[in-house]
Amino acid sequence: GEDVEQSLFLSVREGDSSVINCTYTDSSSTYLYWYKQEPGAGLQLLTYIFSNMDMKQDQRLTVLLNKKDKHLSLRIADTQTGDSAIYFCAESTFSGGYNKLIFGAGTRLAVHP
Amino acid sequence: EPEVTQTPSHQVTQMGQEVILRCVPISNHLYFYWYRQILGQKVEFLVSFYNNEISEKSEIFDDQFSVERPDGSNFTLKIRSTKLEDSAMYFCASSGRTTQGSTEAFFGQGTRLTVV
Repeated sequence: GEDVEQSLFLSVREGDSSVINCTYTDSSSTYLYWYKQEPGAGLQLLTYIFSNMDMKQDQRLTVLLNKKDKHLSLRIADTQTGDSAIYFCAESTFSGGYNKLIFGAGTRLAVHP
Repeated sequence: EPEVTQTPSHQVTQMGQEVILRCVPISNHLYFYWYRQILGQKVEFLVSFYNNEISEKSEIFDDQFSVERPDGSNFTLKIRSTKLEDSAMYFCASSGRTTQGSTEAFFGQGTRLTVV
């Protein structure tokens, strides 16, 4: 069945770049997402990429998609302490028109001075 | 900016009681979803809903659960006879429709359900 895998933890120094990686199994994925979850809070959509794109840039965020390897990454430039959170990778496939998401377990990003 | 809103933000209930979690999706969206996240675990799909009926449900979504769109704005998740293992954060989401299919999904802030 569909599965999404992420490393569980990443620690970076403030000001450095963070790269969070994700692999997925469903080759028919249509959208790939990155969500951010701060402690006790909900899921905030950070960015997403269509499966026919290789890269998407949005301010400090860069998403890279290698569809052949089913590998997705999120790069955060100039990482700040406010970026400390859990980052979820998710993939979706249109099935009957709707958009069901399969999530990874989340990567906890810790930013230290 | 339009958003999905969920109420209450936190619900405590006794085991065996029924709870109703409420959601107001984005107004022009057509697809509605419930997900849950048990503490420290993955966010799991529960159910999708379109055109006043369930499109797909997961194995988790058994007869204890039901969904309803009672009016033009609310989307509810009812859990009958709650169990301790139902304690989780429940997320509502909605997505719109384009000629190419569904738009991206937008999530609410979640309702934390604690069953005691």
